[in-house]
Amino acid sequence: DAKTTQPTSMDCAEGRAANLPCNHSTISGNEYVYWYRQIHSQGPQYIIHGLKNNETNEMASLIITEDRKSSTLILPHATLRDTAVYYCIAKNNNAGNMLTFGGGTRLMVKP
Amino acid sequence: KAGVTQTPRYLIKTRGQQVTLSCSPISGHRSVSWYQQTPGQGLQFLFEYFSETQRNKGNFPGRFSGRQFSNSRSEMNVSTLELGDSALYLCASSPGDGWSEAFFGQGTRLTVV
Repeated sequence: DAKTTQPTSMDCAEGRAANLPCNHSTISGNEYVYWYRQIHSQGPQYIIHGLKNNETNEMASLIITEDRKSSTLILPHATLRDTAVYYCIAKNNNAGNMLTFGGGTRLMVKP
Repeated sequence: KAGVTQTPRYLIKTRGQQVTLSCSPISGHRSVSWYQQTPGQGLQFLFEYFSETQRNKGNFPGRFSGRQFSNSRSEMNVSTLELGDSALYLCASSPGDGWSEAFFGQGTRLTVV
């Protein structure tokens, strides 16, 4: 799976949009971009995934650049409960369910 | 629908002992994966089982092993425990194909003394 690069930490004001970037410049054509988050002392939680089109669900939006070398996860109205470590993962969906986690971005939502 | 259940939640073992951790996936899910999380190495993939067969394996020594039963429940075993095996062990459950999201349990926190 392609390596992903994320900023180590970010801050966001409560109620504002949180935009978390991810670089995956070596992503291959059959690799999807997945986002998970881990709130302190809990197991990771799936957020969203996509291949090349932008995706939206009840939790977040995923914007993937046209060349697929980077993406942005958007939490439209961040709350204090969104404080967590966010992981961006490039995954080949034909190779089972193995997830390769990097260091992630520690998002701190502040009042 | 019940989530992924891992038992026990906390465990303290002595160096040199062995330990068995258990994971019950979501009903109907056929894939179970195991991960180790430490402050130094982060979240690392151990192995994945699908329909009782190991489908993927991470870069861990042979002291780490696992198995999956016909009801999809899975166990992982660590023999000859070392201090460095102290970690949060997480289990993830998926329906089976690679397209689906993984659902994680709360983990088992293992402390080796």
